[in-house]
Amino acid sequence: DQQVKQNSPSLSVQEGRISILNCDYTNSMFDYFLWYKKYPAEGPTFLISISSIKDKNEDGRFTVFLNKSAKHLSLHIVPSQPGDSAVYFCAASENYGQNFVFGPGTRLSVLP
Amino acid sequence: GAVVSQHPSRVICKSGTSVKIECRSLDFQATTMFWYRQFPKKSLMLMATSNEGSKATYEQGVEKDKFLINHASLTLSTLTVTSAHPEDSSFYICSALKQPYEQYFGPGTRLTVT
Repeated sequence: DQQVKQNSPSLSVQEGRISILNCDYTNSMFDYFLWYKKYPAEGPTFLISISSIKDKNEDGRFTVFLNKSAKHLSLHIVPSQPGDSAVYFCAASENYGQNFVFGPGTRLSVLP
Repeated sequence: GAVVSQHPSRVICKSGTSVKIECRSLDFQATTMFWYRQFPKKSLMLMATSNEGSKATYEQGVEKDKFLINHASLTLSTLTVTSAHPEDSSFYICSALKQPYEQYFGPGTRLTVT
């Protein structure tokens, strides 16, 4: 029973447009969330995080939104670039970043 | 969805002993599995890529004689931390690749070396 879900296995977006990646979770005790980006043959790299006391965190082209009542978070990438093409994992934890639970990932393809 | 399990979920061992962690893909076959070490709050470090029937590929800086990886079957990979030291205490996560590109993570193993 997956506690963290990413229901879209893949997403294609035109260069320059917005990419929206979604993540849903079931455990209301989760209080810290991360997005990782992963290129083929490499380990995931940390992208952006958000704690449950916030509903938005922004870092350059990347913004993460958290809706606690809906148990939903999303990652917005604006504008999307071809180099953003990768697999994006959502991860959640209790106790502010101790043990993380990962979603299955969404493959983003940004088309030139 | 696909399920990956890890066993044990927590282990405490004494310095100098060895610990084996198992990673299993429960409902799919995985020719490739990955082992990660997680540092608090953020970074996930890829330690090695485990391929069924062949030697694991270790990332730079990871001691292959200390972290022994065996991918004995299409559903099982093991990580053995040999001669563990307190600095090896960490959260170890495996993932299994479900072809063509979906990667499913295990729940992790918290290792504490005293």
